[in-house]
Amino acid sequence: EVQLVQSGAEVKKPGESLKISCKGSGYSFTSYWIGWVRQMPGKGLEWMGIIYPGDSDTRYSPSFQGQVTMSADKSISTAYLQWSSLKASDTAMYYCARYSYGRPLDYWGQGTLVTVSS
Amino acid sequence: EIVLTQSPGTLSLSPGERATLSCRASQSVSSSYLGWYQQKPGQAPRLLIYGASSRATGIPDRFSGSGSGTDFTLTISRLEPEDFAAYFCQQYGSSPLTFGGGTKVEIK
Repeated sequence: EVQLVQSGAEVKKPGESLKISCKGSGYSFTSYWIGWVRQMPGKGLEWMGIIYPGDSDTRYSPSFQGQVTMSADKSISTAYLQWSSLKASDTAMYYCARYSYGRPLDYWGQGTLVTVSS
Repeated sequence: EIVLTQSPGTLSLSPGERATLSCRASQSVSSSYLGWYQQKPGQAPRLLIYGASSRATGIPDRFSGSGSGTDFTLTISRLEPEDFAAYFCQQYGSSPLTFGGGTKVEIK
């Protein structure tokens, strides 16, 4: 069974750093991209970008370029999304999802809620 | 970037009624790489339709998708209580991938 399991909710202060994770199982982790999606409170879905765990090739949506960093450790089938200096506007639910070109997002993680507040 | 516009923003219907949701693209979506997702409160989105008209595994046949080019439609033939949720379209044929703003189907 394909599963993406994300790390737990985080509460941080503005300016702090953060790294959240997404662990894949039940499929070849290095053969699919992992996409990240943001959902701000009460809002829609926003595409942040993708990473290919096989070689860590990364493509960022223009809106998120320079704002976040995606990485992956294929040895433990885990992808990461990190911030070096959080802002209150980063408060959102973040989802990872499995992706391959020409295919939709077929499996999703359960989401990680990030709250940034002073 | 392809902008997807969904309408209406909210659809108020009763169980058993037919729901018709629209997704319009700012430019043609290549190879009908258009998907629909359902999201219930507190849950991750779930893939319903891909390739504009193919149902994902386990999706009931009351859900159907149609369209091509710039105009796409998700139809729920008879609303069940569990269908009241938010629905998002997404194009995955052109980078960056983009989502529509969503349609909320609520109980009238």
